[in-house]
Amino acid sequence: EVQLVESGGGLVQPGRSLRLSCVASGFTFDDYVMHWVRQAPGKGLEWVSCINWNSNTIGYADSVKGRFTISRDNAKNSLYLQMNSLRAEDMALYYCAKGGDFVLEPFDYWGQGTLVTVSS
Amino acid sequence: QSALTQPASVSGSPGQSITISCTGTSSDVGSYNLVSWYQHHPGKAPKLMTFEVSNRPSGVSNRFSGSKSGNTASLTISGLQAEDEADYYCCSYAGSSAWVFGGGTKLTVL
Repeated sequence: EVQLVESGGGLVQPGRSLRLSCVASGFTFDDYVMHWVRQAPGKGLEWVSCINWNSNTIGYADSVKGRFTISRDNAKNSLYLQMNSLRAEDMALYYCAKGGDFVLEPFDYWGQGTLVTVSS
Repeated sequence: QSALTQPASVSGSPGQSITISCTGTSSDVGSYNLVSWYQHHPGKAPKLMTFEVSNRPSGVSNRFSGSKSGNTASLTISGLQAEDEADYYCCSYAGSSAWVFGGGTKLTVL
């Protein structure tokens, strides 16, 4: 059974940093693209970032480019999102999602999310 | 990367069919047959319902079907059931290893 478990969320002040983690199980992690998707309170889903199996292909939403960095550690079956210079508009539930073999494939499994609150 | 445009809400009675539209641009929906639809019940993980415009993952009911014309994609749900009540999001590849979601549509089964 595919499982994705996010962690690292919490309360952080504007301008500060936070690092999210996602531990994967139930599939061969280093075969697949991984994504971060977020949902702000009362809002819709927003794609944030993706990374392919060997970290050679990485994409970011314009809204986070230059502030967020996605990475992965295949030996630990783990995906990360380093979030710097956080803003109020970054407050959201952050989901980790499994993609396909390539970046062009959809997100077929999702975690339950970790909540990031940005407030002074 | 502007969000795709979906109606905020749609509704239908059990047994009826509904269609949710998703309008993008020539840079996303219009350029790629890589539109997917996700069902999201609040408090649960989103679920992939269709991908590559009209394909269904294993286990998804054939009551769910996707299509596309130009810059607009659509999801049709036939034979509406109470458990279909949820939020639905379209998503399109937008080039340069980026994806874009629609604003979401709340489906109410009357």
